[in-house]
Amino acid sequence: AQSVTQPDIHITVSEGASLELRCNYSYGATPYLFWYVQSPGQGLQLLLKYFSGDTLVQGIKGFEAEFKRSQSSFNLRKPSVHWSDAAEYFCAVGAGNNDMRFGAGTRLTVKP
Amino acid sequence: EAGVTQSPTHLIKTRGQQATLRCSPISGHTSVYWYQQALGLGLQFLLWYDEGEERNRGNFPPRFSGRQFPNYSSELNVNALELEDSALYLCASSWGVNEQFFGPGTRLTVL
Repeated sequence: AQSVTQPDIHITVSEGASLELRCNYSYGATPYLFWYVQSPGQGLQLLLKYFSGDTLVQGIKGFEAEFKRSQSSFNLRKPSVHWSDAAEYFCAVGAGNNDMRFGAGTRLTVKP
Repeated sequence: EAGVTQSPTHLIKTRGQQATLRCSPISGHTSVYWYQQALGLGLQFLLWYDEGEERNRGNFPPRFSGRQFPNYSSELNVNALELEDSALYLCASSWGVNEQFFGPGTRLTVL
């Protein structure tokens, strides 16, 4: 079965600084990859997804992610973080059969 | 288009009682998923329903059960509640093999 690792439990960045959240997956075939964001006490909102094609994926709120098969990674990036980006971020991997596994999440704190 | 809705928003129960949580998927979505998000434990997959059938379940005891109705809405039932069942329960829906859309969750507190 597929699995996801998010190595960073908590990251703090200054407002306006760049951001990269790491995600590594384990799956034998081409995975379906997702990034979700969760504000406190809320459900999850899809930021972006990768199914196939261009390995650099653009999402909402200025986020992008790059699929690197050789590194089994799907890192999330944003060039300039806003205070409203403070939230929990989840990477997820799907096997194409409705079976989706989530990482443990990375909590992002934004310093003024 | 309405998103995934869940009710109630909050639910307070005592140990040993039963809890029933409800979820309405996005119109046209046939799959419903349930997740448990306990503090510090991330999202744990509970159950997946599609076309009225249970398709998969996570590593949870049988006292966690549910069903999907003909209109694709779903119920999650938790029997014999334990303190560690306190968590945010998230419902998601999808159509086919696509991304899951999440509801706002039900916060269950077991006293």
